[in-house]
Amino acid sequence: EAGVAQSPRYKIIEKRQSVAFWCNPISGHATLYWYQQILGQGPKLLIQFQNNGVVDDSQLPKDRFSAERLKGVDSTLKIQPAKLEDSAVYLCASSSARGSGAHAFFGQGTRLTVV
Amino acid sequence: QQQVKQSPQSLIVQKGGISIINCAYENTAFDYFPWYQQFPGKGPALLIAIRPDVSEKKEGRFTISFNKSAKQFSLHIMDSQPGDSATYFCAASKGPNFGNEKLTFGTGTRLTIIP
Repeated sequence: EAGVAQSPRYKIIEKRQSVAFWCNPISGHATLYWYQQILGQGPKLLIQFQNNGVVDDSQLPKDRFSAERLKGVDSTLKIQPAKLEDSAVYLCASSSARGSGAHAFFGQGTRLTVV
Repeated sequence: QQQVKQSPQSLIVQKGGISIINCAYENTAFDYFPWYQQFPGKGPALLIAIRPDVSEKKEGRFTISFNKSAKQFSLHIMDSQPGDSATYFCAASKGPNFGNEKLTFGTGTRLTIIP
């Protein structure tokens, strides 16, 4: 079974630039999550999708972050404009059904450095 | 607001010894407590999890102890091996079915097993 795929693996941008991350969840997984993991901290949920609908985006900084999951499969997370404090690893995870958050499978993440 | 506190931040254990990592939570609505293992450059992977209706769960060399009254839970790694060297995160979630909402992570413990 293929895992959660994310790209790119690394990205370096200047502050105020925009950036986008892509995630392809495990086939058949209806729930998709984006987490932000700042160095030395645990992951923090940014947004949770159930199919192509948003379940929880309470911790998403909506003035600069946006996410979509078209057709309930792949997802993109965008930051525009980026700030220095956005430097982190962005993790995508998926699970087979709503209610399985603790059984989410994580991708390798995208390491973002904002300079 | 940090809802899950984890200690120690780092831990060095000799091969064959017992590694113990502790977590405490504040929100009594949490009803699912997983532990994740993360290797450098990889996403977190579910290691073991427990519900509050049991005080202990064991899977191989890994044991979770849970104290509901104290709102604390811990991970014990018996016969620690160099391959166990990783960062460990406790987490908590709430919901009707095995933590079906977002995961709240602790800050992580970097475990190093020395020969």
